Amino acid sequence: DQQVKQNSPSLSVQEGRISILNCDYTNSMFDYFLWYKKYPAEGPTFLISISSIKDKNEDGRFTVFLNKSAKHLSLHIVPSQPGDSAVYFCAASAKNTGNQFYFGTGTSLTVIP
Amino acid sequence: DSGVTQTPKHLITATGQRVTLRCSPRSGDLSVYWYQQSLDQGLQFLIQYYNGEERAKGNILERFSAQQFPDLHSELNLSSLELGDSALYFCASSVELAGPDTQYFGPGTRLTVL
Repeated sequence: DQQVKQNSPSLSVQEGRISILNCDYTNSMFDYFLWYKKYPAEGPTFLISISSIKDKNEDGRFTVFLNKSAKHLSLHIVPSQPGDSAVYFCAASAKNTGNQFYFGTGTSLTVIP
Repeated sequence: DSGVTQTPKHLITATGQRVTLRCSPRSGDLSVYWYQQSLDQGLQFLIQYYNGEERAKGNILERFSAQQFPDLHSELNLSSLELGDSALYFCASSVELAGPDTQYFGPGTRLTVL
């Protein structure tokens, strides 16, 4: 049972434009969300997180938006750069799951120069 | 470099065999997590250890087992291997003082079962 879903397996964006990656979840108990970035042959690296008490968190070119009523979060990258080309995973956890993270299947972003 | 190390990087073996994957967490991290990433799949949580004790179990098969040693390194044992066990196996670690914490991932071990 996939509790965290990324329905777009891939996304292509022109350099300088906005990239929007989406993630949906089903478990209303999730209260902490993260985005990870993964390059080929490397492990995922933490990018940005958001707690359920917020609806937006910004870090430089990266902003995560959380819509709790829709059980939806998105990652915005502005402006997109070729170095952003990677697979992006969203993940969620809840206090009552003992810090266990549930990951989506990932979205492969290609930023075209 | 996340500070989490995994060995070996690549492992090729045959069906029915048993292998051991090793993970050393970041200095100071007490919690270790194991994940499996099969082709076209997201990371599937397998198991978590905290300071030597099993803390949470995910989609881990009975043929798989893990442990965390007093020096906090962890090993994932996979036995009676099947073709479908071919995957990337990631280890992650976190401090886990209180509440959710960010996990730091190692580079993974790619297992190929022939």
